[in-house]
Amino acid sequence: AQTVTQSQPEMSVQEAETVTLSCTYDTSENNYYLFWYKQPPSRQMILVIRQEAYKQQNATENRFSVNFQKAAKSFSLKISDSQLGDTAMYFCAFMSLTGANSKLTFGKGITLSVRP
Amino acid sequence: ETGVTQSPTHLIKTRGQQVTLRCSSQSGHNTVSWYQQALGQGPQFIFQYYREEENGRGNFPPRFSGLQFPNYSSELNVNALELDDSALYLCASSPRPTGNTEAFFGQGTRLTVV
Repeated sequence: AQTVTQSQPEMSVQEAETVTLSCTYDTSENNYYLFWYKQPPSRQMILVIRQEAYKQQNATENRFSVNFQKAAKSFSLKISDSQLGDTAMYFCAFMSLTGANSKLTFGKGITLSVRP
Repeated sequence: ETGVTQSPTHLIKTRGQQVTLRCSSQSGHNTVSWYQQALGQGPQFIFQYYREEENGRGNFPPRFSGLQFPNYSSELNVNALELDDSALYLCASSPRPTGNTEAFFGQGTRLTVV
């Protein structure tokens, strides 16, 4: 079974600054995806970025980038030039590519507050 | 905004009652997954439906059941409600049940059991 751990319950960052959210996971599999989802107060989960485990290059999406360390089973999210609209809960998630379904295993999440 | 819609948005039920939650999947998506998100926690996988059949289940008792219809919309049914069933229930649709696929989430149904 896979587990995803987000040990920081809350973080705060000044607008326009950079913040890094941490995530570790545990799995015995080699083929999987990792995701960061954002959940604003509207409750809808929004995909921020995803990383395929077989790719060594870290994924980037505009202001969002990841630091994927496969051997260490670490997957952190860096948000550059933080904006007020980035205030939300952020969840790290794992999906196996060899399972019978595409279920996501989520961490407990981190509440990010961006200060004006 | 995704094309996944859930109804109702909020619901209050009494312990012991039964509840049905509904989800319309995004156009072209044949797979629907349901998640339970307790307050302050990450979502937990309940089950997935693919082409009207259950395709995997998480650690939830049999009183949690589901259906998927020919148009790929889905229902989550919970019988004999308990106080701990109070949570946000999220539905996610995807174009296939496995592999390189992205899940699109609805806005959730907030269930309160009193």
